[in-house]
Amino acid sequence: NAGVMQNPRHLVRRRGQEARLRCSPMKGHSHVYWYRQLPEEGLKFMVYLQKENIIDESGMPKERFSAEFPKEGPSILRIQQVVRGDSAAYFCASSPSATETQYFGPGTRLLVL
Amino acid sequence: DAKTTQPTSMDCAEGRAANLPCNHSTISGNEYVYWYRQIHSQGPQYIIHGLKNNETNEMASLIITEDRKSSTLILPHATLRDTAVYYCIVRVAFEANDYKLSFGAGTTVTVRA
Repeated sequence: NAGVMQNPRHLVRRRGQEARLRCSPMKGHSHVYWYRQLPEEGLKFMVYLQKENIIDESGMPKERFSAEFPKEGPSILRIQQVVRGDSAAYFCASSPSATETQYFGPGTRLLVL
Repeated sequence: DAKTTQPTSMDCAEGRAANLPCNHSTISGNEYVYWYRQIHSQGPQYIIHGLKNNETNEMASLIITEDRKSSTLILPHATLRDTAVYYCIVRVAFEANDYKLSFGAGTTVTVRA
C-alpha cells in the first residue's frame, strides 16, 4: 500500500509565477490536510479537504492560495503570484476519516527566486 | 497556548534505549497522546499514539502515567537513523472537529555512535 505521494518534490518559481503542488492520498483515504513549514519553524495547518469539499481553510492565507480535491485525481494546492515569503516546505497528510491518524507525504519544497 | 512541553534537545547513545518525555498536564480525559517524528528534510512520520494504556508497536513504546499528565516515548534500541525531531501532540479522541495537528518545537534527538 503506497504511502501519501506528493509531487513535485522540489519546485523553483520566480516571483509572480504560479505554483501547483499535488498530493495523492493513501489508498482508501478520503480526507486530505495541507500543512506548511517555513524555514526553522514548525508545521502549521493550512486546509482540510474531503472529496470535492473544502472543510476548513482557516489556515490558508486569504489571498493567492487555493486548494481543491476533485472527485478524480490528486488534491492540488495552488499558489498564485508567488512571493519570496512563500518559500517553504508544503506537506500533505491523509486519513481514512477525520478522527483517525494522519499520515504525511514527503513534502514539496518550494523555492521562490 | 502549548498543550505539551518537551525538552528542546537530547542526546543518546547508539544501541541504548532513548526515553523522550512529554508533559501534558492539562490533558482532557478524551484526548489522545500522539507522537510523530521528522527526520531532516522529510515529512513527519507517525510513530504511535495512546489514550490511557501503554502502547507498543514495531517502532516504539508509549508509557502514559496513571494521571495522564505526562508520557514517555521509548525507542528501545536507538540507531543513527533515529536522529530526528520528535513531536508529542495531544488530540481529542473520536472528535471529528479536532483534526488540526499542532506541532510545537519538539525534541531534537541526536543519536551518537
